[in-house]
Amino acid sequence: DIQMTQSPASLSASLEEIVTITCQASQDIGNWLSWYQQKPGKSPQLLIYGATSLADGVPSRFSGSRSGTQYSLKISRLQVEDIGIYYCLQAYSAPLTFGSGTKLEIK
Amino acid sequence: EVKLLESGGGLVQPGGSMRLSCAASGFTFTDFYMYWIRQPAGKAPEWLGFIRNKANGYTTEYNPSVKGRFTISRDNTQNMLYLQMNTLRAEDTATYYCARSGYYDGYPLDYWGQGVMVTVSS
Repeated sequence: DIQMTQSPASLSASLEEIVTITCQASQDIGNWLSWYQQKPGKSPQLLIYGATSLADGVPSRFSGSRSGTQYSLKISRLQVEDIGIYYCLQAYSAPLTFGSGTKLEIK
Repeated sequence: EVKLLESGGGLVQPGGSMRLSCAASGFTFTDFYMYWIRQPAGKAPEWLGFIRNKANGYTTEYNPSVKGRFTISRDNTQNMLYLQMNTLRAEDTATYYCARSGYYDGYPLDYWGQGVMVTVSS
């Protein structure tokens, strides 16, 4: 199985700050990586797909990047509505696997 | 508007069975892969499996963690997705989500249902 090591587990940042979350894949997964945001009590919502493509309706302050087997989600200017838990998901091969999540809070 | 609505959850005894349903609307159901994902309270989601679209023969893939106990099916005349769960264990306790994907393997999950809770306990 492909392991997705996500870091940090939690993050506290100030409004307008730049935030970066990473997922390290245990093997090559190409661009088969997506990012999801889960707000308290809600289902996950797609933010980024294909490692770098912004999903419909997602604010442009969110962006995704890839360097080898390391994938990053960046929030360029943190807003209050960005609090929640963020997960990466690899869909390169079954079983599909999620990262362990990053809980983002406002400082 | 795409909508996914799960139902059928609740309390079940260990060793029991349960069938979850997911009613889909707002899109051409047969064009899309459909997924089941679960999430224990306070933990990361876990992919359970998916069923492919018409173009890919409605075949299924499962997580080895549930293969042989869980079965995914779809009724394309009713736009319904199902998850049949057998021989349930305490560790199957979670919120279960259905989700829509795309046209081939690897597409992201672009719409999720609100989830339904399943509790396995005596």
